[in-house]
Amino acid sequence: QVQLQESGPGLVKPSQTLSLTCNVSGASISTGGSYWSWIRQHPGTGLEWIGYISYSGSTYYNPSLKSRVIISVDTSRNQFSLKLSSVTAADTAVYYCARASHASGFDYWGQGTLVTVSS
Amino acid sequence: IVLTQSPGTLTLSPGERATLSCRASQGVSSTYLAWYQQKHGQAPRLLIYGAFRRATGIPDRFSGSGSGTDFTLTISRLEPEDFAVYYCQHYSTSPYTFGQGTKLEIK
Repeated sequence: QVQLQESGPGLVKPSQTLSLTCNVSGASISTGGSYWSWIRQHPGTGLEWIGYISYSGSTYYNPSLKSRVIISVDTSRNQFSLKLSSVTAADTAVYYCARASHASGFDYWGQGTLVTVSS
Repeated sequence: IVLTQSPGTLTLSPGERATLSCRASQGVSSTYLAWYQQKHGQAPRLLIYGAFRRATGIPDRFSGSGSGTDFTLTISRLEPEDFAVYYCQHYSTSPYTFGQGTKLEIK
């Protein structure tokens, strides 16, 4: 059973960097064909894909966030991370990590973690 | 690729049939079109991938169809637990995008 769990600060000050980690269990993060993604959901609204890091280490980011996003992986800990710099109140959202594959969509999700940007 | 879902809200009774639409601004490969269900306070759950393939454990009252720019999620007979928000998504080329969602509410 694949499980993902987000962790990180729930409150970040404006202009600082939001940092979250997703711990993966039940599957190797190096599994071929897997794309480890971050998605966010602003309060009361829809879903926004942030980006992913692939099983081979390549990254793709949403162009709307690309200048501020870094997704990295730590294979020794079987986890991947999100860094979003220069945050503003508009970055307040629930952040989800998920596993995606071209064969089966976004099939496993973490429970989500609310990050609030406020001074 | 912009995905537009309709209707925004659908009000039906248990036992009725629900038909949800997802229209893409340009053609999407059916291989990379998914539907998700999200209940309040929960993460989205994958229902359908590849336009019509049910994810593991999804009841057969859920079905997907369509191709090109028009896709449909059908729930044949609504159960009380089906009332939620539904999103379509394409995952063919970056950036992956979601529709704005259809809220399915109880009449």
